[in-house]
Formats: sequence, C-alpha cells, structure tokens
Amino acid sequence: EVQLVESGGALVQPGGSLRLSCAASGFTFSDYIMDWVRQAPGKGLEWVSAISGSGDVINYADSVKGRFTLSRDNSKNTLYLEMHSLRAEDTAVYYCGKEVRYSGYYVTYWGQGTLVAVSS
Amino acid sequence: EIVLTQSPATLSLSPGERATFSCRASQSVGTYLGWYQQKPGRAPRLLIYDASNRATGIPARFSGSGSGTDFTLTISSLEPEDSAVYYCQQRHSWYEFGQGTNLEIK
Repeated sequence: EVQLVESGGALVQPGGSLRLSCAASGFTFSDYIMDWVRQAPGKGLEWVSAISGSGDVINYADSVKGRFTLSRDNSKNTLYLEMHSLRAEDTAVYYCGKEVRYSGYYVTYWGQGTLVAVSS
Repeated sequence: EIVLTQSPATLSLSPGERATFSCRASQSVGTYLGWYQQKPGRAPRLLIYDASNRATGIPARFSGSGSGTDFTLTISSLEPEDSAVYYCQQRHSWYEFGQGTNLEIK
C-alpha cells in the first residue's frame, strides 16, 4: 500500500526557515516524480515544486523560486522541501504527492498534509 | 502558462440528480486533463485522468469528457458523499489547477 507521510510543519515568523519531509513507502520511490502541492486556508490547490526520480530535474513555481529547495534521498525514501525567507502568503497545508504518467501526468497518491503557518 | 477556468463556482443539487462541472483551458491541452475531488480536511483524490478515464476505485457514476479547451465532469446520480470541491488540472509546462467548483448536496 502506498503511503506518504509529511512532517515538519510549524508556526514560523516571517523571514524564517523550515524543512518539510515526506516519508514514502509501498512503492519503488526512485522510479517516480514527486511533487509538493499547497493549499492556503480556504483557497484552492497550488503546485509548488517537483523532482524527477533521480533528482536531477527539479522545477519550481515562480512564487517560490529562489526561496524553496526540493531534494530527495532515494536511500531513505524521503522527499525534502527546504523553505527560506518565508512569507505570510506561504501559509498553507503542504501535500506531497506521487506522480504517475498516463498520457498526461497526474498526482495519484497524496499525503495527509502538514500545516505551515507564517506569522509574527 | 495555461489558465484553467471552472464553472460554476458553486453547485447545489439533491441526491439522485445529475451534476455537471465545466473546465475551460486558455489554450489546447489535448486530452491531458484530470479531475480531483477534495473533501474538507482531506487530501485531493484523483477521479479522472486523460479527460475521460476513471482512476482506480472510482465509481462508474463519475465520467469525464472533452478535448482541446473544453472539458466536462459529470456525476450521473448524486450520492450524499459526493459533497466536495472538484478541481480540474493540467500539466503542460507544469501543474495548473482550476479554482474549483464547490458541490453541495441538499
């Protein structure tokens, strides 16, 4: 059974930093593109970043580029999101997701989410 | 950047009725369009991929259609548990989601 478990969410002050983790199990982690998608309170879904199975291709939404760094440790089946220079608008539930390609690409499994709150 | 526009914003229907959700893309995405369901406090769940294919475990009352720029998600006969927000999604350069349609079951 595929499981994705996020951790690391917390209350942090503006300008602060945080590292999120996503522990994966139930599939061959290194075979899959992994994503982070966030959802601000009462708002819709916003894609944040994605990383290829080998970790050599990483993409970011413009809203986080230069502040967030995505990485993965395939030996530990874990995905990481380093977040710096956090802003109030980064407040959201952050979901990690396992991506599957049919003809298009879709997130087929999601974690339960971890809440990041940026406030003074 | 491809923008997805969903309509209506809110839908209020009774059990047994048919629900129709629309998603319009600002440029063609072929059939590379997915639909997700999200219930309060829960992660999204993939319902439909490649415009018309049901994901694993999704009931037959859910169906998708369309291509190019206009897509539709249909729930043929509503159940109370279908109350949720429904999002369309495409991955052209990277992921874009529509703003969602809130389905309320009366």
